[in-house]
Amino acid sequence: DTGVSQDPRHKITKRGQNVTFRCDPISEHNRLYWYRQTLGQGPEFLTYFQNEAQLEKSRLLSDRFSAERPKGSFSTLEIQRTEQGDSAMYLCASSLRGGRGEYEQYFGPGTRLTVT
Amino acid sequence: ELKVEQNPLFLSMQEGKNYTIYCNYSTTSDRLYWYRQDPGKSLESLFVLLSNGAVKQEGRLMASLDTKARLSTLHITAAVHDLSATYFCAVAVYGSSNTGKLIFGQGTTLQVKP
Repeated sequence: DTGVSQDPRHKITKRGQNVTFRCDPISEHNRLYWYRQTLGQGPEFLTYFQNEAQLEKSRLLSDRFSAERPKGSFSTLEIQRTEQGDSAMYLCASSLRGGRGEYEQYFGPGTRLTVT
Repeated sequence: ELKVEQNPLFLSMQEGKNYTIYCNYSTTSDRLYWYRQDPGKSLESLFVLLSNGAVKQEGRLMASLDTKARLSTLHITAAVHDLSATYFCAVAVYGSSNTGKLIFGQGTTLQVKP
């Protein structure tokens, strides 16, 4: 499978715990995005990486959230001291700058987080 | 602040009928996307519209873009049950960081009844 993959697919955690999600983009895609989708809403942008550089963060990304993309390959999104309001689907997308299909973002299957 | 608004938000229709979903956005953009989402699933890309007047068709779905009116439409022809899903439009925003982040509408939930 050469698509975007995310792990885990589902995560249930208790309030106050830390969680980490992983995204593996399509090979050679240099752009990587994280979005968050709550029930009944459209996805909202969280952060963007070009290669290993984090170039934009949404104001939705509080100090409890941190994202990395070491070596410009996979990315991780960590949420510290989770709150019930963090319950959502976390989506990762990747795209390639330049070449055919440069404008299309390919989405992974998402990680559904439930904070109890 | 860029806003993307879809209407209707919910659409119940009979098989065989035609209908149109509208997507309005509040700022200049030349990249408009349509995605489909089934319950509990991720987003499936349907169309990427890159220029004013662009029209793309795939099966019973046709999308168009009018950048001057800041309007895109998704037209459904002779609906079938398999088209039941939530449809999102999204606009790409580049800004100073050249991110190309997507701003999504609220989604239109389509229910096609036999």
